Amino acid sequence: NAGVTQTPKFQVLKTGQSMTLQCAQDMNHNSMYWYRQDPGMGLRLIYYSASEGTTDKGEVPNGYNVSRLNKREFSLRLESAAPSQTSVYFCASKPGQSSYNEQFFGPGTRLTVL
Amino acid sequence: GESVGLHLPTLSVQEGDNSIINCAYSNSASDYFIWYKQESGKGPQFIIDIRSNMDKRQGQRVTVLLNKTVKHLSLQIAATQPGDSAVYFCAEKTQGAQKLVFGQGTRLTINP
Repeated sequence: NAGVTQTPKFQVLKTGQSMTLQCAQDMNHNSMYWYRQDPGMGLRLIYYSASEGTTDKGEVPNGYNVSRLNKREFSLRLESAAPSQTSVYFCASKPGQSSYNEQFFGPGTRLTVL
Repeated sequence: GESVGLHLPTLSVQEGDNSIINCAYSNSASDYFIWYKQESGKGPQFIIDIRSNMDKRQGQRVTVLLNKTVKHLSLQIAATQPGDSAVYFCAEKTQGAQKLVFGQGTRLTINP
């Protein structure tokens, strides 16, 4: 099992450019998450998908959109990148039971917006 | 928990000593509290969780203590090893919710 995979690993964008961050998991998990982590700070939830077909906003959704393409894949799109979106982006997944707390994280995408 | 900027709280311990990492929480409705470990350049990794109706839970070399009176959570690591060097995050979850709220994190460094 590869677990949670993210592509790309690194990306540099210019202000105003768009891009999609890809995430896939092979653990048959129902729930998937997108977080951002700024230097020296904790993780902040951008969007999540509790199950296939649903998406919900997290703490910091502005400037982002998501798509739960199927049970395996959950993508994050930046329509018009801004320097404030420079961050490390982590995708995570877990089984659907609310009492199950272990989220499995991908290796992250390091995004710089110039 | 809210971040306080670029400077993570740091805890330095001698190899072989016990480490205690603390976390304050604010949401009385949280039903689970969770600890994650993040090594440099990697994604966070689950360590242990504790339900709000418990005050202590032990795992392999780790113990989590929960004091609901003062809304305080701690992670104790026994016989700290170089591989324990990481940033440790506490997180909380409200009953029935599918999402976690992460605290700021504490950087643990091990002195040889």
